[in-house]
Amino acid sequence: GAVVSQHPSRVICKSGTSVKIECRSLDFQATTMFWYRQFPKQSLMLMATSNEGSKATYEQGVEKDKFLINHASLTLSTLTVTSAHPEDSSFYICSAPRQGGYTEAFFGQGTRLTVV
Amino acid sequence: GNSVTQMEGPVTLSEEAFLTINCTYTATGYPSLFWYVQYPGEGLQLLLKATKADDKGSNKGFEATYRKETTSFHLEKGSVQVSDSAVYFCALKEADSSYKLIFGSGTRLLVRP
Repeated sequence: GAVVSQHPSRVICKSGTSVKIECRSLDFQATTMFWYRQFPKQSLMLMATSNEGSKATYEQGVEKDKFLINHASLTLSTLTVTSAHPEDSSFYICSAPRQGGYTEAFFGQGTRLTVV
Repeated sequence: GNSVTQMEGPVTLSEEAFLTINCTYTATGYPSLFWYVQYPGEGLQLLLKATKADDKGSNKGFEATYRKETTSFHLEKGSVQVSDSAVYFCALKEADSSYKLIFGSGTRLLVRP
């Protein structure tokens, strides 16, 4: 079963509105989560690293005021796309590494965002 | 910078055919290499991995060997099934303690009965 749950799976919003995407680790604590974005027929590009209890670390070229990340607990990180525009339409996916004897990055199901 | 290049799809095969999906990488040091699979409507799942040169990762009949001399990590399966239809992503993790992954563009595989 899924160990990282992402919600919603699809969302359509109007230009200028904000959209929040949630990423939850279901049976483990994740002090770090990663947010990726995928354009059609392109790679998943790392947007930011979400750190529990501290500020997120954004990759070069990613607007931190546009893509707000909050990691308020050890099992939840949220990505808010603020004042969305059609060019923000994309597939967003989160991942969380589970530490311990066997480390692996588990991925959420992804969120298809369409801004109209 | 580090990067991953994989063959463009879609790849269309008949059931029981042999599969190869090419993946090459550019990286400093000794990265770990991964293949992830994404079935329709689902998130990415780890398929196999290799952490050092000459390691062979294998799972569900899929194999890939970490070739440092050719900077490659090609995915192979001797006999594909319809249920293997999915998008396959090659990825690398830099040689540090974080779990940031650099992905290839993904290759869609369609297996016909």
